Amino acid sequence: NAGVTQTPKFQVLKTGQSMTLQCAQDMNHEYMSWYRQDPGMGLRLIHYSVGAGITDQGEVPNGYNVSRSTTEDFPLRLLSAAPSQTSVYFCASRRQGARGAFFGQGTRLTVV
Amino acid sequence: AQSVTQLDSQVPVFEEAPVELRCNYSSSVSVYLFWYVQYPNQGLQLLLKYLSGSTLVESINGFEAEFNKSQTSFHLRKPSVHISDTAEYFCAVSEANAGGTSYGKLTFGQGTILTVHP
Repeated sequence: NAGVTQTPKFQVLKTGQSMTLQCAQDMNHEYMSWYRQDPGMGLRLIHYSVGAGITDQGEVPNGYNVSRSTTEDFPLRLLSAAPSQTSVYFCASRRQGARGAFFGQGTRLTVV
Repeated sequence: AQSVTQLDSQVPVFEEAPVELRCNYSSSVSVYLFWYVQYPNQGLQLLLKYLSGSTLVESINGFEAEFNKSQTSFHLRKPSVHISDTAEYFCAVSEANAGGTSYGKLTFGQGTILTVHP
């Protein structure tokens, strides 16, 4: 039972580079979301999806894109990385009607 | 919209001492309340949740939290902590019975780092 899987676990980017953080869940959850965790700020919602083909912005969407072509996958794209995007990123999923989400192990991203 | 305030950024305690991690929230609608725990270098795990019914909820590892609607609080307590409880704890809320695009969004507090010393 893999749950929510995030890859990579660690990444260092140069300013201006692009990359995609991968998130996959094997629980057939409709709802998936991306958060970033910064010291003293808790977790802030970047983007979320309530089902395949449906995405919407969260609290801090600027600089990030998402897509949801399948129920299982919800990749997060950084088009042009900036030092302000240095953070730990968490993907989460939940089943419609359930309360409380399952989180991945996180991706620690450093932009230099 | 909801907001969550965790009143202490760091709480150091000695092993076997009691601890309380404080959480206050604000919301114009009914909410569900959660505590998540993040052990070092790991993801977040759901510790306990309040959805409805009894205002006192418990986790399997001895933590409990009490929903106080009048004080808009959901403080987390444990009567005797262990070294293994060292972690960061996050309080979170979501809108109760939300539908459509607002369904399921969690709003987190800033986190409280609990450090248990021997």
